[in-house]
Amino acid sequence: EPEVTQTPSHQVTQMGQEVILRCVPISNHLYFYWYRQILGQKVEFLVSFYNNEISEKSEIFDDQFSVERPDGSNFTLKIRSTKLEDSAMYFCASSGRTGSGYTFGSGTRLTVV
Amino acid sequence: AQTVTQSQPEMSVQEAETVTLSCTYDTSESNYYLFWYKQPPSRQMILVIRQEAYKQQNATENRFSVNFQKAAKSFSLKISDSQLGDTAMYFCAFMKQSGGSNYKLTFGKGTLLTVNP
Repeated sequence: EPEVTQTPSHQVTQMGQEVILRCVPISNHLYFYWYRQILGQKVEFLVSFYNNEISEKSEIFDDQFSVERPDGSNFTLKIRSTKLEDSAMYFCASSGRTGSGYTFGSGTRLTVV
Repeated sequence: AQTVTQSQPEMSVQEAETVTLSCTYDTSESNYYLFWYKQPPSRQMILVIRQEAYKQQNATENRFSVNFQKAAKSFSLKISDSQLGDTAMYFCAFMKQSGGSNYKLTFGKGTLLTVNP
């Protein structure tokens, strides 16, 4: 069964450093997403991406965040200057037709120290 | 804006028994999708079941079934013959049907289900 692949599985970074979280969505999917889950809390929407542009972003997704699809396969989330409160599990997801439900990646656990 | 409420933070059930997890939602949309996702200790998000709001028939996937009450905006998940591997956090989620280029999911806070041997 096709998978969404995320790397790395765990990243530790110092406060103020830039991090790039990487995702390889399912190849024929058209819609791409990043979600965040702070430990013990609910899953929160960050951003959606379609046709090479952001289609919606949440209030969490401020100027410190950016997304990119640099080639036909990768989808990245960059945090320019990490803060302690950015520590969370970050999930990438992709979907084909609407309503089909996403396929989530296994997540990247980001720890900011 | 849509909201999803899961009123049971934690539940437990004996192996082989049946358990029902509750979910209510608030929306002004008439067409939408509802989902249950499972998050085991590995923290992977796994789709359990989906329901299209325009379908009156309740969705079923093996031991998992839903009770969808559109007028009451209720979407509960029933797990029959519970297994130890069902131990996980369960999230209810909502998606608008006519999202344009965005089909974001709105999640509830989750219910932690423990299946006891």
